[in-house]
Amino acid sequence: DAGVTQSPTHLIKTRGQQVTLRCSPKSGHDTVSWYQQALGQGPQFIFQYYEEEERQRGNFPDRFSGHQFPNYSSELNVNALLLGDSALYLCASSLGSGTGPVVGEFGPGTRLTVT
Amino acid sequence: AQSVSQHNHHVILSEAASLELGCNYSYGGTVNLFWYVQYPGQHLQLLLKYFSGDPLVKGIKGFEAEFIKSKFSFNLRKPSVQWSDTAEYFCAVNSLGDSNYQLIWGAGTKLIIKP
Repeated sequence: DAGVTQSPTHLIKTRGQQVTLRCSPKSGHDTVSWYQQALGQGPQFIFQYYEEEERQRGNFPDRFSGHQFPNYSSELNVNALLLGDSALYLCASSLGSGTGPVVGEFGPGTRLTVT
Repeated sequence: AQSVSQHNHHVILSEAASLELGCNYSYGGTVNLFWYVQYPGQHLQLLLKYFSGDPLVKGIKGFEAEFIKSKFSFNLRKPSVQWSDTAEYFCAVNSLGDSNYQLIWGAGTKLIIKP
């Protein structure tokens, strides 16, 4: 049973460009959360998608947007990249009801470097 | 704003030593509490969680944590560590409220076990 998968593994972009990161949830999970983890820090919640809608958003600017598809997979888009967007981007999947949404299973992450 | 503090950024212990990693949070209401672990080269894994009930929670691999509400703490313990416990440990908190699925994370503690 495949767990959470993310692509690509690594990505290098130039300041001002746009990037799309992808996540496939664990089989049976219907909710996807995205986190940003800067070097030496804990993850920071970006947003959570459930039933193809953004259910909750953390303290991130509108440059960060997302999408969830009918098969529950998700994309994270970041526009107008800044050097400070360099980080590990983590996807976590979970069940959407009860206490499920807060107990995520994490993917390996996408390492984004902005130059 | 809510925050989570992990007191030690780096801990070095010898095998068979006892472990206690501190975690304090700032939120006066009801919380769900988590410890996650990231072994070298692997992704984040749930170690244990507290939702309600017995404040002493047992997790995988012999770890346990105690929720002390009066101290806003959720410290992680293990009576005898092994070399394989070398990893980074993260404490995370979810504050119960309407439609709140966000985890607030500590900065992590890097644990090195000397063989």
